[in-house]
Amino acid sequence: DTGVSQNPRHKITKRGQNVTFRCDPISEHNRLYWYRQTLGQGPEFLTYFQNEAQLEKSRLLSDRFSAERPKGSFSTLEIQRTEQGDSAMYLCASSLEWGQYGYTFGSGTRLTVV
Amino acid sequence: AQTVTQSQPEMSVQEAETVTLSCTYDTSENNYYLFWYKQPPSRQMILVIRQEAYKQQNATENRFSVNFQKAAKSFSLKISDSQLGDTAMYFCAFGGGGSNYKLTFGKGTLLTVNP
Repeated sequence: DTGVSQNPRHKITKRGQNVTFRCDPISEHNRLYWYRQTLGQGPEFLTYFQNEAQLEKSRLLSDRFSAERPKGSFSTLEIQRTEQGDSAMYLCASSLEWGQYGYTFGSGTRLTVV
Repeated sequence: AQTVTQSQPEMSVQEAETVTLSCTYDTSENNYYLFWYKQPPSRQMILVIRQEAYKQQNATENRFSVNFQKAAKSFSLKISDSQLGDTAMYFCAFGGGGSNYKLTFGKGTLLTVNP
């Protein structure tokens, strides 16, 4: 297993366009998390899945954001009608159980909205 | 809600010396976990060390150790024999208690190790 994989690494999009990011977690990890990290800040929680069920969404996740994890494997995060304020690093992580042993993070997708 | 505070935005240390990064947190929970993560420039976050709140003994991982003061809600990271590869952002994170499905991170400390 090569760890948590995120694609693409970088995405530049025009304001108003839709974008989709993909995360492939470690196969035996049942929990998957999405975080957003802006410059000079620590990661902020967006949402998490246990298997295929999305169990919590942060208030940061507006109606323009949607996340899925079909069949409890990979996950996608879609942002519709992107805004300049969406520019950030989007981090995916996975863990066993609830994460008491720590998360394994992917390298992130850096989104720039122009 | 839990909060994590890292009061040192930036720190520097000479190679081979020791440095301590500070972290304080606020929680009403009694059972939780604390973590230090390292994020090198343009690279992914990796777990450095973890501490279980019910354990009094401070965690140690090679050159990295913590000073966990539960009553003071303090969780500092000590890096001994600093190496150039230790240059990175370091994030303190809190997990567990009532919100045992997510980690709450501090804003980070940028550590630069100088040759």
